[in-house]
Amino acid sequence: KAGVTQTPRYLIKTRGQQVTLSCSPISGHRSVSWYQQTPGQGLQFLFEYFSETQRNKGNFPGRFSGRQFSNSRSEMNVSTLELGDSALYLCASSPDIRAEKLFFGSGTQLSVL
Amino acid sequence: AQRVTQPEKLLSVFKGAPVELKCNYSYSGSPELFWYVQYSRQRLQLLLRHISRESIKGFTADLNKGETSFHLKKPFAQEEDSAMYYCALGATSGSRLTFGEGTQLTVNP
Repeated sequence: KAGVTQTPRYLIKTRGQQVTLSCSPISGHRSVSWYQQTPGQGLQFLFEYFSETQRNKGNFPGRFSGRQFSNSRSEMNVSTLELGDSALYLCASSPDIRAEKLFFGSGTQLSVL
Repeated sequence: AQRVTQPEKLLSVFKGAPVELKCNYSYSGSPELFWYVQYSRQRLQLLLRHISRESIKGFTADLNKGETSFHLKKPFAQEEDSAMYYCALGATSGSRLTFGEGTQLTVNP
């Protein structure tokens, strides 16, 4: 069974640009959540989607958004990039809405110059 | 508000020595607690969860509600245990996790 796949693996953008990150969950998993990982703040929850509906949102500005498609694939978008958005963005999937079966992807490393 | 504290950023032990990684949490409801591990150049993966009371790779963790702790223990550390360990607290609904800042464990030969 293929694991959680995140694309692209690396991204370099400049301030003010926007970026879209993609996540393909494990087959059969309906829940996708996103986390931001930085050396200073650690792992912080961004949002969670289940059956195309956003169920939870973390404490991030409105520049961070996401969506989930009918095949459970998810995208997150960051607009008007700032230097502080440089981070590893992790996607996790689970069969249902419970936290006990989360599987993480390798992440997308975003660098904002 | 949910909060997880891992007081040690770095922990170094010798092979064969006991190891304990500390985790304290703050949560008003009934907690769901997990330990995740990230080995070098690998993805974050679940090590164990309190609800299953299992032992994985020799590691155990006991939930102490009185002390609001969920410390990870292993009686005899191995070099392959060297990794970053994260304690995480789950919400009562949904798959949202609140992570601690992590403890980098190094097991020296």
